[in-house]
Amino acid sequence: KNEVEQSPQNLTAQEGEFITINCSYSVGISALHWLQQHPGGGIVSLFMLSSGKKKHGRLIATINIQEKHSSLHITASHPRDSAVYICAVVPMYSGGGADGLTFGKGTHLIIQP
Amino acid sequence: NAGVTQTPKFRILKIGQSMTLQCAQDMNHNYMYWYRQDPGMGLKLIYYSVGAGITDKGEVPNGYNVSRSTTEDFPLRLELAAPSQTSVYFCASSYSWGGRYQETQYFGPGTRLLVL
Repeated sequence: KNEVEQSPQNLTAQEGEFITINCSYSVGISALHWLQQHPGGGIVSLFMLSSGKKKHGRLIATINIQEKHSSLHITASHPRDSAVYICAVVPMYSGGGADGLTFGKGTHLIIQP
Repeated sequence: NAGVTQTPKFRILKIGQSMTLQCAQDMNHNYMYWYRQDPGMGLKLIYYSVGAGITDKGEVPNGYNVSRSTTEDFPLRLELAAPSQTSVYFCASSYSWGGRYQETQYFGPGTRLLVL
């Protein structure tokens, strides 16, 4: 069974700090998604990656397929970054089936001013 | 574009009642999904659809039914509500032409359901 583990579960930091959220998974995957869930509940897709690194503004996502690990970094963090960050993977064995997406439980991030 | 819309935003049901959660998207996406999110747990897929007239079960389909008569709409039906169905329900859509789940999913705002 594919497991997706995120760490830390909760993170409180001061404004301006560099933030790292980690995601580990147990099976081979074809893609990994990072999602952001706002305090109001809405979910937004941040990144989809299958190799290397992607950057969007102050957000950077990296993935190491061999080590089955991905990280989401936030530079110059701001209180508006406070949210739950969710990692989700597409297992190789899903064979293209839509039920192949497995979600982590999320990392609850609070950035204090 | 409105994106993905869901109604209602919040609903309280009594055990045994039925209801339909509505989901619509205006992006002409072929794939649509229903997820539930329980406190402290990851999102779980209930049902999905790869196009009008085609639906299939996800990880936790028991107690739910879906239909997809048009590209835009994907309602989720709860027939006999149970306390275990208390959750937040998210509808999502994506356009997939190749590897499924390679594409960005767009989520609705969610429906909070309480079954008492």
